[in-house]
Amino acid sequence: GNSVTQMEGPVTLSEEAFLTINCTYTATGYPSLFWYVQYPGEGLQLLLKATKADDKGSNKGFEATYRKETTSFHLEKGSVQVSDSAVYFCARVNTGGFKTIFGAGTRLFVKA
Amino acid sequence: DTGVSQNPRHKITKRGQNVTFRCDPISEHNRLYWYRQTLGQGPEFLTYFQNEAQLEKSRLLSDRFSAERPKGSFSTLEIQRTEQGDSAMYLCASSFPPIRTGNPSSYNEQFFGPGTRLTVL
Repeated sequence: GNSVTQMEGPVTLSEEAFLTINCTYTATGYPSLFWYVQYPGEGLQLLLKATKADDKGSNKGFEATYRKETTSFHLEKGSVQVSDSAVYFCARVNTGGFKTIFGAGTRLFVKA
Repeated sequence: DTGVSQNPRHKITKRGQNVTFRCDPISEHNRLYWYRQTLGQGPEFLTYFQNEAQLEKSRLLSDRFSAERPKGSFSTLEIQRTEQGDSAMYLCASSFPPIRTGNPSSYNEQFFGPGTRLTVL
C-alpha cells in the first residue's frame, strides 16, 4: 500500500548544526512528495515539495531530493536555527490524487 | 486573513455529546479536506469534497461522523455520541483540483487551517 516512514524523534541539535531527517516511501505509482512543518500552536505549513524523480525541493535553507532508486526524500539543512524548532512531516500524494498520506512526524529541538 | 480558518479552536465535551466543527476554506479553492491528527502521529485523511460533492470517505469515518459542504463553500464536521477515542486535532485543508498538464505528477498544494482540538472527557 501507500505509506511514508520517517525517523523517530525527538532530534536535538545545537544552533548551526547540520540537520538530516530521513524519509522513505513505498514505491507505489509515481507520487509527489512533500515536507510540511508544524510550529508550536500553529497549523501545518508546506515547507517544500518535489513532483518527480530527481527533483530537488528547497525553501528557507531546507532541501530534499526525490530519489526514486532509494525511495527516499530526506530533509536537510546546513545550519539550523532555534526558530527551526518544530515538528516536520514527510508526506506523499499519488498522481492525480487527493489524499495526502503523512509520516508520523519528527520533532526537532534546536538549542541556542 | 485569506487562509483556511477553523472554529472553534478548542472544544471540550463530555462523552456522549454531539459536537460540530466548521471550516472556511480559501475562497477560490473548490476542494476541501478533513484530516484527524492524534498525539504523536501524522494527520490521517477522513474525507474530501469537490464543490458540494463528498467524493471520498475514509474507513476511519464511522457512522457517528458526518461532513457536509452544502453550498460548496464552508464545511461542517459533526461527531455524534462522542467517545474518548475521538479526542484529537481535526484539521481542514483546501486546494484547487489537480491541473492536468503533460506532467502526470501535477499537484496543487493543500493549505491547512489551524485545526480544532477536541477533548472528550
